[in-house]
Amino acid sequence: NAGVMQNPRHLVRRRGQEARLRCSPMKGHSHVYWYRQLPEEGLKFMVYLQKENIIDESGMPKERFSAEFPKEGPSILRIQQVVRGDSAAYFCASSPRQNTGELFFGEGSRLTVL
Amino acid sequence: AQRVTQPEKLLSVFKGAPVELKCNYSYSGSPELFWYVQYSRQRLQLLLRHISRESIKGFTADLNKGETSFHLKKPFAQEEDSAMYYCALIAGTASKLTFGTGTRLQVTL
Repeated sequence: NAGVMQNPRHLVRRRGQEARLRCSPMKGHSHVYWYRQLPEEGLKFMVYLQKENIIDESGMPKERFSAEFPKEGPSILRIQQVVRGDSAAYFCASSPRQNTGELFFGEGSRLTVL
Repeated sequence: AQRVTQPEKLLSVFKGAPVELKCNYSYSGSPELFWYVQYSRQRLQLLLRHISRESIKGFTADLNKGETSFHLKKPFAQEEDSAMYYCALIAGTASKLTFGTGTRLQVTL
């Protein structure tokens, strides 16, 4: 069973461009979580999705950020018009059920905004 | 809102010495607490959870509701314990796991 797969592992964007980060959960997992890690900070929750539904987006910035988890294909975290402050590591995690603290993490995608 | 505090950014101990990584939380109800670990060049993974009351790789953690703490302990540190450790909490019917800022454990000879 392959682990949570994230790509790209590293992404460089110029200010104003769009960034798309992809996450394929573990086989059999229908719950996906996105976390952001800024330098010198811990993991900050962004959004929790199940297939085709956003369950909790309380950690998502109000503008420029969106996430989806379609019926087919990976979950995507999209950041429009990136700014330097978006530079961070973005981690995806999956679980086979809801309301659990037992998450399986990907290796992360590091976004650098020039 | 729930909050997890790990007061130490870095903890350096000698091999064979006892280890205690501190974690305090704030939540008015009954949370579930977890410790996650990230070894060098590996992904973040679950180390242990309080409800299972188990020892993993020699580590234990006891939930102290009076002190709202969930410190991670090991009697004798090993070099391979060097890693980043995160305390985390999930509260009630909340859907998200809340992490502390992490403590880097460095075990030296």
